[in-house]
Amino acid sequence: GAVVSQHPSRVICKSGTSVKIECRSLDFQATTMFWYRQFPKQSLMLMATSNEGSKATYEQGVEKDKFLINHASLTLSTLTVTSAHPEDSSFYICSAPRDRGTDTQYFGPGTRLTVL
Amino acid sequence: AQKVTQAQTEISVVEKEDVTLDCVYETRDTTYYLFWYKQPPSGELVFLIRRNSFDEQNEISGRYSWNFQKSTSSFNFTITASQVVDSAVYFCALSTIKAAGNKLTFGGGTRVLVKP
Repeated sequence: GAVVSQHPSRVICKSGTSVKIECRSLDFQATTMFWYRQFPKQSLMLMATSNEGSKATYEQGVEKDKFLINHASLTLSTLTVTSAHPEDSSFYICSAPRDRGTDTQYFGPGTRLTVL
Repeated sequence: AQKVTQAQTEISVVEKEDVTLDCVYETRDTTYYLFWYKQPPSGELVFLIRRNSFDEQNEISGRYSWNFQKSTSSFNFTITASQVVDSAVYFCALSTIKAAGNKLTFGGGTRVLVKP
C-alpha cells in the first residue's frame, strides 16, 4: 500500500491566491522529504529538500519566497505556492526515504495544480 | 555532478513483445545507488528496484529484469512479454552517498506504449 500521501490530489485556483499542499509519511517518520515539480511529458525536477526542525534547502533557481516549505513534524511537510500564477501550474510530487540508512525514496501520488 | 541519460524517449511495442529500456549514468563517486521507477498515467511513481554500486548481480522479478554493468555505466531494464498494463513512463535515477540528503538525479524518462 501507499506509504506517502499527498493532499489535495488536484487543485484549481485563481491567479494571486496561495495554495498549500501536504505531504505525509504514513507509517514511518521522515526527517527529510523532497519536493519535485513535473511539467507535462518531462522528468521530475527537484525543487527543495524539506528538513524537519530546520530550514528547507532549495535547488538553484527555485524561489524560496515563492515556494514556502515547512516540515512541521516527522510525518508532515507542506509546500505553499504563494501568489500563484498560471506558470506555476504543474504536477507537484513529494517523496521520503522510508527506511533509515537506505536511499530508496517513496513518492506521494502527486498534486496537480492549475492556476487560472 | 551526477547525470542520468535515457536515450529512448518513447518506445511502442505490441503486446507480448519484449522491450528493453536503456539507462546510462555518470558519477565520480564510487558508492552510489541506482533506481527504476514506473509512472503510470495516474501520475504516482512506483518504486521498482534499487541497486547499489557494489552489487552487479543481475536481477529478475517476474517479467522484469535488470542488467547492471559498471564497465559501461549502464543499468538497463527489460520487460518480457509486455502487457498493456506496462504502458507507463519509466524513470531511471541515481543517488550517491555524498549527495546531500540522498537526493535523486532522474533521467528524462522513457514512455512505453504497449498496444493490444
